[in-house]
Amino acid sequence: EVQLVESGGGLVQPGGSLRLSCAASGFTFSSYWMSWVRQAPGKGLEWVANIKQDGSEKYYVDSVKGRFTISRDNAVNSLYLQMNTLRAEDTAVYYCARGFMFRGAIGAFDIWGQGTMVTVSS
Amino acid sequence: EIVLTQSPATLSLSPGERATLSCRASQSVSNYFAWYQQKPGQAPRLLIYDASNRATGIPARFSGSGSGTDFTLTISSLEPEDFALYYCQHRSNWPPVYTFGQGTKLEIK
Repeated sequence: EVQLVESGGGLVQPGGSLRLSCAASGFTFSSYWMSWVRQAPGKGLEWVANIKQDGSEKYYVDSVKGRFTISRDNAVNSLYLQMNTLRAEDTAVYYCARGFMFRGAIGAFDIWGQGTMVTVSS
Repeated sequence: EIVLTQSPATLSLSPGERATLSCRASQSVSNYFAWYQQKPGQAPRLLIYDASNRATGIPARFSGSGSGTDFTLTISSLEPEDFALYYCQHRSNWPPVYTFGQGTKLEIK
C-alpha cells in the first residue's frame, strides 16, 4: 500500500524550532519529487516547500524562506521539514505529499499523508 | 502572484443534482491545474489534473474543464459521499510555486 506517515508535530513557543518527518512506503521514494503542504485551523491549503528526487533542487513559499528547510534521505525513504524561528501564523496541520507529474512537470500532488499538527503558542 | 478565487464559497444541493464549482485565476495560467476533495479530518484527495483529466480511481461523474483564467469542476449527479470541501490548485511555470483557491464547501440541502 502506498503510504505517507508524518510525525514530529507538537506545541512549540514562538521563536522555537521543530523538525517534521514523513515516512514513505509502498512506492519508490527516490523517484518522486516530494512536498510539504499546510492547513491552518479552519483555513485552506498552502503549499510550503518541495524537493527534487535527489535533493538538488528545493523551492519554498515566500513566507517560510530562510526559516524552513526541506530535506530527504532516500536511504530510509524519509522526508523532513526543519522549522526554525516559528511564528503563531505557522500553526497548522502539515501534510507530506507526493508530486504528480504531467506535461513534463510536477503539477499536482497525488498521495498525501494524514498530517501532523504544529501549534506555535506561548 | 497568481490568486485563485473559487465560487461559490458554499453550494447547497441535493443528492442527484448537478454541481458546478468555479475557480478563476487573477491572470491567464497554464493547464498545470488540479482539483482536490477534502472531507473533515482527512487529507485532500486528487480528483482532476491537467484541468480535465481524472486521477486514478475517480468516478466518471467528476469532470473538469477550462483554460486561461476560468476553470470548472462538475459533478454530474451528486452522491452522498460527494458532500465535502473542494479546492482548485495551480502551479506556476517557473519557479515552481503552487497556489490553492480558498475552497468551496459543497453541503447537503
